[in-house]
Amino acid sequence: GAVVSQHPSRVICKSGTSVKIECRSLDFQATTMFWYRQFPKQSLMLMATSNEGSKATYEQGVEKDKFLINHASLTLSTLTVTSAHPEDSSFYICSASPLSLDSPLHFGNGTRLTVT
Amino acid sequence: GQNIDQPTEMTATEGAIVQINCTYQTSGFNGLFWYQQHAGEAPTFLSYNVLDGLEEKGRFSSFLSRSKGYSYLLLKELQMKDSASYLCAVRLAGTALIFGKGTTLSVSS
Repeated sequence: GAVVSQHPSRVICKSGTSVKIECRSLDFQATTMFWYRQFPKQSLMLMATSNEGSKATYEQGVEKDKFLINHASLTLSTLTVTSAHPEDSSFYICSASPLSLDSPLHFGNGTRLTVT
Repeated sequence: GQNIDQPTEMTATEGAIVQINCTYQTSGFNGLFWYQQHAGEAPTFLSYNVLDGLEEKGRFSSFLSRSKGYSYLLLKELQMKDSASYLCAVRLAGTALIFGKGTTLSVSS
């Protein structure tokens, strides 16, 4: 079945530094990938839609200059959290699906980001 | 805005049947999905409905009524390992999903 790989699974960084998270679709091509964020005991909130070869689409309230998204190929999207602050500590999850409306979104294993 | 409602918590005992309801009011609709999520892990896909009616997959079934903006997930023969959060999600235009806040199910022996 479709598999999405996300790396790293866990990262601790200091305030002010940047962190890059990679998301790969392993056995299908994904022109679109999605980045979600989940705070403890809350649901997944869509942050942005990553589009291969074009700019990402950000949801309202998500700072595009802080959360940089690059979708350089049909199998790779990256999310860079720039100048991280403790309030950015969260669980970040990427997802993608094969090009079919009845295909479910498949999720990566998520990245637990802790900013100290 | 988009609104997806489901109960916050539910409890049940092993071997029982539990129904988790979800109501939605969204600007579009291209299908409703149910996911299971264990603490600290990514969601895993359970079921999908785009047409009205019941979809059955083993111990899990999901129902959809588009006219009522309503779905439920039915879990039969509950096991301890079914203790998790269950997320109802609606696909709008495109392929992104909008999630409800999730229902935490606790199964006891």
